Parts: sequence; structure tokens; C-alpha cells
Amino acid sequence: DQQVKQNSPSLSVQEGRISILNCDYTNSMFDYFLWYKKYPAEGPTFLISISSIKDKNEDGRFTVFLNKSAKHLSLHIVPSQPGDSAVYFCAATSGTYKYIFGTGTRLKVLA
Amino acid sequence: DGGITQSPKYLFRKEGQNVTLSCEQNLNHDAMYWYRQDPGQGLRLIYYSQIVNDFQKGDIAEGYSVSREKKESFPLTVTSAQKNPTAFYLCASSPSGSNYGYTFGSGTRLTVV
Repeated sequence: DQQVKQNSPSLSVQEGRISILNCDYTNSMFDYFLWYKKYPAEGPTFLISISSIKDKNEDGRFTVFLNKSAKHLSLHIVPSQPGDSAVYFCAATSGTYKYIFGTGTRLKVLA
Repeated sequence: DGGITQSPKYLFRKEGQNVTLSCEQNLNHDAMYWYRQDPGQGLRLIYYSQIVNDFQKGDIAEGYSVSREKKESFPLTVTSAQKNPTAFYLCASSPSGSNYGYTFGSGTRLTVV
């Protein structure tokens, strides 16, 4: 049972436009969420996080939105840059050490 | 520079052989984790350890074994019982408590030949 789902395996966006990556979850006990960025043959790197007590968190070009009633979070990247091309994973935890990861979305930013 | 080091980066194993993947961290993190990445399946948890001399099975522990004799080290052995070991293996660590993200190593690509 996939508790964290990223239903879009890939996304292509023109440079300078907005990229929106989506993530859905099923476990209402999840209270902390993160986004990771991964380049090929490298480990994921932390991008941005959000607690369940918030509905938005912003860090530069990256904003994460959380809709608890819909069990949905999204990552917005504005403006998108070619260096943003990578695989993005969302992850969630219910207050434990363990994070559950989604399957990832491959973002391609076209120059 | 603090970080987490995985070695080797590429590893080839013959069928029927055990192989051990190294993971070392100098971040003073209590918790360490092993994940496996396969195409289209995201990251799946193999084993994790919250403290020295203690570890728990993750979602896909069959065919794998670990040890945590030192805080800095969490090696993963892929045994011959693992039916499909070819994958990209990621080690991670985190401080105690929740709401801390993981720091990942750069991964080991294991190929069975």
C-alpha cells in the first residue's frame, strides 16, 4: 500500500515558467513533510519542509503548499531554471524517525 | 566537512556471493537508514537503526543484514538470499527525534553479473 503517491512520473516545463509537482498521501497521522531533489547517481538532497500546522512554507524560488483536508501537498518552483532538472521526491512522517517516500517525479526544464 | 560517505560507488557481484556496502557518517547522528531505489518504485526502506547495537527491519529486509557496532558506521550486507539485488542503494542519517530530514550519502550502484 503506497501511503505517499506522486502520480506524475515526469513533467516538462519551459525555463522561466512555474513548475508544480504534486504529492498525495493517505495516512492522516502524517505531520511533517519534506521534498528532496535528486540528480542521477547521487543521493537526494533536502529542499524544503512543512509541518502539518502550516499550509505554506517558502524558501526563495521554492514554495510548498499543504492541503490537509485533501491530503495533498505541492511544490512550486518559480521561475524554473535548467539546473532544476532532477527527480523530486516527497516524503512524510508521523512523528517517528521513519519517512515514507513517494515514487518521484522527473522534472525537465527546457531552455 | 561533516557528511555521510558510501563506498564503493559501483560494485559488481557474482550470483551466490554476499557483498557488504559501507556507510560512514561524521555528523554525530544517532539514526541511520538503508534505502533501495529501483526505477518507478521510489525509495524503499531496508533497515534502520536509531541507536548503537540496535536496528529494525524496514519494508524490504529479506535477503539483507546490517550491524551497528559504532555510531558512525552502518554497513549493509546483501546476501545470496536476495533474489533481485541489482539496484541503487542509499544510506542516510538523521539526528534524534522526528521532524529532521535525512542526510543522504551519494549511493552505491550494485550490479549482479
